[in-house]
Order: sequence, then structure tokens, then C-alpha cells
Amino acid sequence: QQQVKQSPQSLIVQKGGISIINCAYENTAFDYFPWYQQFPGKGPALLIAIRPDVSEKKEGRFTISFNKSAKQFSLHIMDSQPGDSATYFCAASMVGYGGATNKLIFGTGTLLAVQP
Amino acid sequence: DTAVSQTPKYLVTQMGNDKSIKCEQNLGHDTMYWYKQDSKKFLKIMFSYNNKELIINETVPNRFSPKSPDKAHLNLHINSLELGDSAVYFCASSQEKRGIYEQYFGPGTRLTVT
Repeated sequence: QQQVKQSPQSLIVQKGGISIINCAYENTAFDYFPWYQQFPGKGPALLIAIRPDVSEKKEGRFTISFNKSAKQFSLHIMDSQPGDSATYFCAASMVGYGGATNKLIFGTGTLLAVQP
Repeated sequence: DTAVSQTPKYLVTQMGNDKSIKCEQNLGHDTMYWYKQDSKKFLKIMFSYNNKELIINETVPNRFSPKSPDKAHLNLHINSLELGDSAVYFCASSQEKRGIYEQYFGPGTRLTVT
């Protein structure tokens, strides 16, 4: 129940195309869903996050779509650029006070390659 | 200015040795974490400290001992290193904001045990 399943494992997209990465979870107590971007040799960097009270959140070219009933969420990268080539991780945690529930449960990662 | 920093960036050592990784954050955050990223890039939490108090310990072997001298520092000491400890270790920090803890990661320490 603590797992977050992520697909695809790898993705190749042409420059200007749309990259879509999907995640699914089981634990209905999860209520905070961030996406992280990781470049080789670097730490994960927070990209965008969503709470279940909205179905979509957009920041620039990055959009999270959230389907609470299906327990699924996805990251869409519009107008994908070669500089977007990185590994993307979805994650989930439980919002709470006191900190004991705020550990991030990560998906397995998607290696995105945007071809010029 | 680096928000979350770790030293060293690379650590190569032999089995059975004891080593430490240091982490410092200058964000003023109250909570710090250690994550382990294995060779398949899977990220898993190991520990979390809030104001120098341990709040999460994910059944990590007791060869791993985190130490938080103050809320800006969380060091990781590993005794009797094993081959399976080879991984990239990330420190992170966060501050509670309306119940959400946005976590910011350091650059990682690649540990290789030979």
C-alpha cells in the first residue's frame, strides 16, 4: 500500500512534442503528490506538486493531472525541449503536522530523452 | 549559495571501514532527511530529524547512525561498511507550511564500497 507505481520506465520524445509520465498509488491517505526532476550527478529538484482538492495544476510547460477516484496522477511536459532530458520521479506523502508522516514515497523514475 | 550541501561528493572505501557523510542546510528548515538511491535509481527514505529529534527511522540497519548536532546539520555515520551499502546518499531538508513539507535535496554523495 505504500508503493507508487510509475510508467513508462523510459520515454523518447521529439523536440516540441508532449511528454507524459503516469503514476498510480494505493494508499488513500496520501494527499500530497510532488514531481521531482533529476539530472545526472545532481540531486532531485522539486518541479511541481498537487493536492487532491484540484484535478489539474499548471506551471509553465509542466502540468499535473490528478484523478482521485482512479488514484492516478500524471505529469505532462508541453513543447518538450532537449534541456528537459532528465529522470523524473513522482512521489506521494501524507500531509500532517509533526513531521512523522511527511516521508516521500517515490515512484521508480522515468528517463526522458528529448531528441532535437 | 548552496541551500543543502553534502560532503564529500564521492567516497570510495573498503568493506569493514567506518565512514561519515556530512550535510548542512542554510534554509533555516526544521526538518532534515537522509535518502538512499540505489543503482536502479530507486529513492528510499532512511531517516528524518525534526529539530534534532529523530522522527522517522525506516528500519535501516543499526550500522547507520544519523547525528544532528543542530537543526542545520544532519550527518550520517556508517559502521562496518558492506558492498550493498554502495549507493548515492541524498540529504534533504524541509519546512512545514500548512502541513506540507516541500523537500529540497542536496547534490548527493556517491559511496562505493570495494
